[in-house]
Amino acid sequence: DVKVTQSSRYLVKRTGEKVFLECVQDMDHENMFWYRQDPGLGLRLIYFSYDVKMKEKGDIPEGYSVSREKKERFSLILESASTNQTSMYLCASSFVAEASGRGDTQYFGPGTRLTVL
Amino acid sequence: AQSVTQLGSHVSVSEGALVLLRCNYSSSVPPYLFWYVQYPNQGLQLLLKYTSAATLVKGINGFEAEFKKSETSFHLTKPSAHMSDAAEYFCAVSDDLKTSYDKVIFGPGTSLSVIP
Repeated sequence: DVKVTQSSRYLVKRTGEKVFLECVQDMDHENMFWYRQDPGLGLRLIYFSYDVKMKEKGDIPEGYSVSREKKERFSLILESASTNQTSMYLCASSFVAEASGRGDTQYFGPGTRLTVL
Repeated sequence: AQSVTQLGSHVSVSEGALVLLRCNYSSSVPPYLFWYVQYPNQGLQLLLKYTSAATLVKGINGFEAEFKKSETSFHLTKPSAHMSDAAEYFCAVSDDLKTSYDKVIFGPGTSLSVIP
């Protein structure tokens, strides 16, 4: 089974702190994603990576950066946390859907619930 | 452009009753369609997906969904609800062949409650 793990389930930080959220997958997936989940808004894509050291902005990248130094690990960084970044953060991974050209099944970690005070 | 709507942010059913969760999508090309489930304090997991094969798709835990192109719908059903089905359900669509990444758009979710 695919396993996606996230470094923390719950995290509480202060405004202005630098925050690191780590995600590791064990299935050699090329693609990795960071989403935030807020009530009534579904999942919104923050950043995406399709290869080591490669990244692309998603729909809401402002206030976030990412790092992918190894294929299995994808980090989300909040350079200076703000209260409006209080949310559930979900990491996901998937194979490249080369044959279909469409996004295919994503495998999710358990999520990190971040509270910024 | 692709989008997903889920009618009803909250649905309540009695244990043993039919579960029907609605999903409509917009797509300019034949889509891939997904249903994911999220149990409390967990990530999402795939229930089932449609990838242009059979229009009736069977998934895990007794769920199934039918792709209806004429109605642009992909509603999720289960004949008899169980208490363990209480969760958040997300419909998702993927059809965009031109973006630089494997884009999947998620709906806003439907919270299912099962009443004993």
